[in-house]
Amino acid sequence: DTGVSQDPRHKITKRGQNVTFRCDPISEHNRLYWYRQTLGQGPEFLTYFQNEAQLEKSRLLSDRFSAERPKGSFSTLEIQRTEQGDSAMYLCASSLSVGEAFFGQGTRLTVV
Amino acid sequence: KNEVEQSPQNLTAQEGEFITINCSYSVGISALHWLQQHPGGGIVSLFMLSSGKKKHGRLIATINIQEKHSSLHITASHPRDSAVYICAVRETSGSRLTFGEGTQLTVNP
Repeated sequence: DTGVSQDPRHKITKRGQNVTFRCDPISEHNRLYWYRQTLGQGPEFLTYFQNEAQLEKSRLLSDRFSAERPKGSFSTLEIQRTEQGDSAMYLCASSLSVGEAFFGQGTRLTVV
Repeated sequence: KNEVEQSPQNLTAQEGEFITINCSYSVGISALHWLQQHPGGGIVSLFMLSSGKKKHGRLIATINIQEKHSSLHITASHPRDSAVYICAVRETSGSRLTFGEGTQLTVNP
């Protein structure tokens, strides 16, 4: 499968714990995006990378959130000291420059 | 007011019916995407448009740049078309996508 891959698919964590999600984009895609989607809403932009450079961050991305794409390939999104309001689907997408975006299956986070 | 608005929010149809989902946006865009999301979260890209019309199987997408409006049509709808359909735009000033809230489509047999 050469699509966008996200891991894990589901994560249940206790409030206050740290979690890390991984996204493997389509291999030749230079742009990688993270979005967050809460129930009944459309996805909201969190951040994006062009190669290894993080070019834009949403104000939704508080200090507890950090994203990396160290070698310009896979990316990780870490949430520290999780809160119940962080419960959402975290979606990763990749594209070749401003071409069509391809999405992963998402990581569903539940903070209890 | 959201930058991207979809209508209707929910749509129920009988198998075989012709379906239209509308998307209006208020910003300058370089491209508009129609996406499909099934339960479980995975999003599939259906179309990317910057002008005119595209067709793929029973799906047709149109865009009117002057009116800032796009439509997604499904001909001969089928229960397997049941999903959330999301419109998203890429603004001319950036590369992020801004999404509508989605249209929940249910097609009954």
